[in-house]
Amino acid sequence: GQQLNQSPQSMFIQEGEDVSMNCTSSSIFNTWLWYKQDPGEGPVLLIALYKAGELTSNGRLTAQFGITRKDSFLNISASIPSDVGIYFCAGLKGGSEKLVFGKGTKLTVNP
Amino acid sequence: NAGVTQTPKFQVLKTGQSMTLQCAQDMNHEYMSWYRQDPGMGLRLIHYSVGAGITDQGEVPNGYNVSRSTTEDFPLRLLSAAPSQTSVYFCASSHTGGVGNTIYFGEGSWLTVV
Repeated sequence: GQQLNQSPQSMFIQEGEDVSMNCTSSSIFNTWLWYKQDPGEGPVLLIALYKAGELTSNGRLTAQFGITRKDSFLNISASIPSDVGIYFCAGLKGGSEKLVFGKGTKLTVNP
Repeated sequence: NAGVTQTPKFQVLKTGQSMTLQCAQDMNHEYMSWYRQDPGMGLRLIHYSVGAGITDQGEVPNGYNVSRSTTEDFPLRLLSAAPSQTSVYFCASSHTGGVGNTIYFGEGSWLTVV
């Protein structure tokens, strides 16, 4: 089955640093979603992107829908300890209801 | 998580036993789905449904059955549990219709098969 290529797999950063992660695919997606998962919980939607080139912010988080529709990026500015968790990208193709997930980026923030 | 309820939260099964993971949503969503999450694998789609009476297979359907007799409920059945089915299972729901839908996840069910 297809999954998105998400990188990096893990990140260890200091509090206050900025974070960047991305997802790529060989296929075109019509919707890109970014989720965060805390330990013992289900994924929670952070940002949804619906148009190529779209740049959307949610507080300190900014995500972009790549122009080619084959990639997306998530940036976190001025990280804080509560940003710790696993971040997943997910994509929806046109005419499909099936969400395809990346394997996740595990973020650790050192105080 | 908005309106998606999964039970049980934790379950231990012996190989060969059967069980049902329950999922209910109160948002009148047409689309419901089940995922399993394994270390380093992200979330993989097991089965999904676009409405009552309609189900279809996802990426990893073997060993699992589903049914959708009502809009609200989408149970996942393991007919003969195997250790390879040890995983965390997530149910999700959304409205259908493409662009603009938000997909909501339940809090997960941790299943161990021994």
